[in-house]
Amino acid sequence: AIQMTQSPSSLSASVGDRVTITCRASQAIRNALGWYQQKPGKAPKLLIYTASSLQSGVPSRFSGSGSGTDFTLTISSLQPEDFATYYCLQDYNYPRTFGQGTKVEIK
Amino acid sequence: QVQLVESGGGLVKPGGSLRLSCAASGFTFSDYYMSWIRQAPGKGLEWVSYISSSGSTIYYADSVKGRFTISRDNAKNSLYLQMNSLRAEDTAVYYCARGSANFDYWGQGTLVTVSS
Repeated sequence: AIQMTQSPSSLSASVGDRVTITCRASQAIRNALGWYQQKPGKAPKLLIYTASSLQSGVPSRFSGSGSGTDFTLTISSLQPEDFATYYCLQDYNYPRTFGQGTKVEIK
Repeated sequence: QVQLVESGGGLVKPGGSLRLSCAASGFTFSDYYMSWIRQAPGKGLEWVSYISSSGSTIYYADSVKGRFTISRDNAKNSLYLQMNSLRAEDTAVYYCARGSANFDYWGQGTLVTVSS
C-alpha cells in the first residue's frame, strides 16, 4: 500500500498567517491526491482534488500543488473557521490511503 | 439536496457482527460509486471499502478483508457494510461517502464500539 506522510503533525498559527501543509507519497501517484478538512465531531469536507483543483464552494484562499510524490496544501490567509485538522488522500490505487493528519491550532 | 444517513452502529462484543446501512437521497444513487471510511476515537481517517455503481467491483482494506462485506441496493438507494468477527480495533465512527475518491458528500457517521 502507498504510504502518505504529512508534515507537520500539528502547527500553531495566527489569523492572517500563510499556512503550508505537505504530504509525501511513498511512490509516485501523478496528481491523484485530495485534501480534506475536518472539524471536531464533523465529517470531513473535500477541499482540493486532483492535487490542485478547488472543490466547488471552497474559498479561494485554499490551494493545492504538486505532482509525483510531493504535494502541498496552502491557506493564503488563515481565517478563524480554518482551525481544523487536514488530511491528504491518495486515489492513485487501492487501498486508498490517508495521511495521518495535520492539526492547525490557534497561536 | 444530497444526503447520506448512516445507521446500525452500536455496542457489540468481540467476535460479534453488525450491519451498517447508509440511506442516500438527493441524487441518482445508481450512478455513483460509494465508499466506507472509518475513524477510531481520537485517530485519523482510514479508508475501509469501495463498491462500483453496479456492485460488480469491490475493494477492501487489508485490515477488514475477509471479515467485512460491502453491498448496495440501488432500488432502495442504500449502501451496506456487513461486519463480522469484530475486533476491538474496529471501534470507530463509520462514514459512508459518495465516490471512489474525491469524496464530495459524507454522512454524519455511525459509531461502532467493540467491547466486552
